[in-house]
Amino acid sequence: KAGVTQTPRYLIKTRGQQVTLSCSPISGHRSVSWYQQTPGQGLQFLFEYFSETQRNKGNFPGRFSGRQFSNSRSEMNVSTLELGDSALYLCASRLYLTTETQYFGPGTRLLVL
Amino acid sequence: EDQVTQSPEALRLQEGESSSLNCSYTVSGLRGLFWYRQDPGKGPEFLFTLYSAGEEKEKERLKATLTKKESFLHITAPKPEDSATYLCAVQESEGGSEKLVFGKGTKLTVNP
Repeated sequence: KAGVTQTPRYLIKTRGQQVTLSCSPISGHRSVSWYQQTPGQGLQFLFEYFSETQRNKGNFPGRFSGRQFSNSRSEMNVSTLELGDSALYLCASRLYLTTETQYFGPGTRLLVL
Repeated sequence: EDQVTQSPEALRLQEGESSSLNCSYTVSGLRGLFWYRQDPGKGPEFLFTLYSAGEEKEKERLKATLTKKESFLHITAPKPEDSATYLCAVQESEGGSEKLVFGKGTKLTVNP
């Protein structure tokens, strides 16, 4: 079974731009979560989607948003990029909200100049 | 206050030299404690889930144990390919919202 896939793998943007990242979960998994990983803060939870609805949310500003489609694929958008948004953005999927174990994708490396 | 603390931050071992990594947590109502392995430039790879104190799980040279306040990842006779960052996370429920809270990780280097 194919794992979680994320596109693109690498991105370079400039301050003020916006960016959209994509995530395809493991086949059959209906929950998708997004995380930001930086050397200073480690892995931090952004939000989780299930059945096209945001179910859980971390402590990030409104510039970070997401959505989920009927096939469980998810996108994350960051508007008005700041230098501090440079990070590895990870997507993880799990079967249902009640399933504890999450499986991660390879991540999208975003560099904001 | 950090809810998940991992120690040490970095650990260097010689091949075959066994050791343990520590993960202490302060969340109440633990729903699960997770260990992941992360190689540079890659996403975390799932290793174990532990649910209750006293539980143990093993996979090859790795063994994870859980008490009421901490978890240990024991590495027996490590090999260079075990070099990676090991992440611990707990499932936290707050205000009806659930999320995984991660520690900062332990970077393990195994020298041949």
